[in-house]
Amino acid sequence: RKEVEQDPGPFNVPEGATVAFNCTYSNSASQSFFWYRQDCRKEPKLLMSVYSSGNEDGRFTAQLNRASQYISLLIRDSKLSDSATYLCVAYSGGGADGLTFGKGTHLIIQP
Amino acid sequence: DTGVSQDPRHKITKRGQNVTFRCDPISEHNRLYWYRQTLGQGPEFLTYFQNEAQLEKSRLLSDRFSAERPKGSFSTLEIQRTEQGDSAMYLCASSLGNFAEAFFGQGTRLTVV
Repeated sequence: RKEVEQDPGPFNVPEGATVAFNCTYSNSASQSFFWYRQDCRKEPKLLMSVYSSGNEDGRFTAQLNRASQYISLLIRDSKLSDSATYLCVAYSGGGADGLTFGKGTHLIIQP
Repeated sequence: DTGVSQDPRHKITKRGQNVTFRCDPISEHNRLYWYRQTLGQGPEFLTYFQNEAQLEKSRLLSDRFSAERPKGSFSTLEIQRTEQGDSAMYLCASSLGNFAEAFFGQGTRLTVV
């Protein structure tokens, strides 16, 4: 079983809508969590860290639910430029090898 | 450009040949990572350097793969006797501290024919 699981999508969402997707992790020792954004054929870029109390950055909100072992990402007022793959990342400690990326959720914002 | 740069961007090679990729990290970053990504998958950790020391290697990393960071600046990743299964995007990343808050290069796309 993969440690970090995401719905691959694609999620097709009209511009201006709110979209949310979850990521589940299996390793209860995971300490910290992150969302990365990856455009087609480009490198991943850190979008935001996920704090235990939740984290908001403009139109983006990330939340952590340790009891159910999932992380969520909410995008409000979606823009065409939000179209990308969103990678969920869990860090379980023990060095760089403790960082596990999910397969990503593909989001398409439609005009 | 002060980001992470990788060279070449694309490489096509015949099965059995050796290939070498280069990564130049952000200059003040002491940590450097190599990842591999295939279509529809997230990046998979390969190896990690802190300065010139290779501190970690993935258990999944074949001994055909070797990486160096001789002066603690740029790094090279060599794949010997390439196989078709080695076809992937090879991503380099660097950071100053937190493993997860790394900056990625645009990657080297390897195709083994």
